[in-house]
Amino acid sequence: GAVVSQHPSRVICKSGTSVKIECRSLDFQATTMFWYRQFPKKSLMLMATSNEGSKATYEQGVEKDKFLINHASLTLSTLTVTSAHPEDSSFYICSARDSSSTSNQPQHFGDGTRLSIL
Amino acid sequence: AQKITQTQPGMFVQEKEAVTLDCTYDTSDPSYGLFWYKQPSSGEMIFLIYQGSYDQQNATEGRYSLNFQKARKSANLVISASQLGDSAMYFCAMREGWSNDYKLSFGAGTTVTVRA
Repeated sequence: GAVVSQHPSRVICKSGTSVKIECRSLDFQATTMFWYRQFPKKSLMLMATSNEGSKATYEQGVEKDKFLINHASLTLSTLTVTSAHPEDSSFYICSARDSSSTSNQPQHFGDGTRLSIL
Repeated sequence: AQKITQTQPGMFVQEKEAVTLDCTYDTSDPSYGLFWYKQPSSGEMIFLIYQGSYDQQNATEGRYSLNFQKARKSANLVISASQLGDSAMYFCAMREGWSNDYKLSFGAGTTVTVRA
C-alpha cells in the first residue's frame, strides 16, 4: 500500500533554531502534499498545501515566512520552521496521495514529527 | 460553519462490544467523500474506511462499517467486537468535489477507550 515517510519523528532544540521536516512518498508520486499541525487531543489543522514545482498555498493565519514549504520533486516536500520558539512546539504531520489515483482514494499520512522548542 | 461535526469527545466501550461514533457533515457539493481515520497515542493516522456520496451501499471493512444516511448528512462509524487495540482517537473527514488534489476537512475527533 501507499506509504508516506516523515522525518524526523521527534525534534528537541533551542529557541531560535530552524528545523526542517521531510515528507516523502515512497511508492507513488504526489503533485500535492499537505502539512498539518495538531495540538494534544485536538483535531488536525491544515497549515498549507504543498504544490510540486510552485509556491505553497497557505491557510489563513499561517505565517508564510515562519513555515517555509518546498516541494521540489514529486516525492518530497519539506517544511522548515524558521527561528522556532516555544509556541511553535507541536505535532506536525504531512499527508499525500497518489496523483494518478481517483478521488475516492484516501490521503496517506506520515507518522508525524513532535517538535519541542526549549 | 463547521463542515464536519463529531459531537462525542470521548467514549468508553467494553471489550467485544460494538461502538458507534457519530459524524455529521455539511456540504452543498453533490460530489463528496467521507473518510474515517484512527489515530493511536503514537500519532500516526490510519485510514479505516471510505464512503462516496454516490455509493449505494454502506461501506464495510472488516470490523468497521459506515452507517451512511445521506438525507440526514450523517456518516457514523460502527466498530464491532471492540478490541483493546481499538483505543485511539477517531476522526471523520470529508473531501468535496472530484479533484484529485482534494483537501480534507476534519472533525474534532472522538477518543475511544476500550475497557477489558
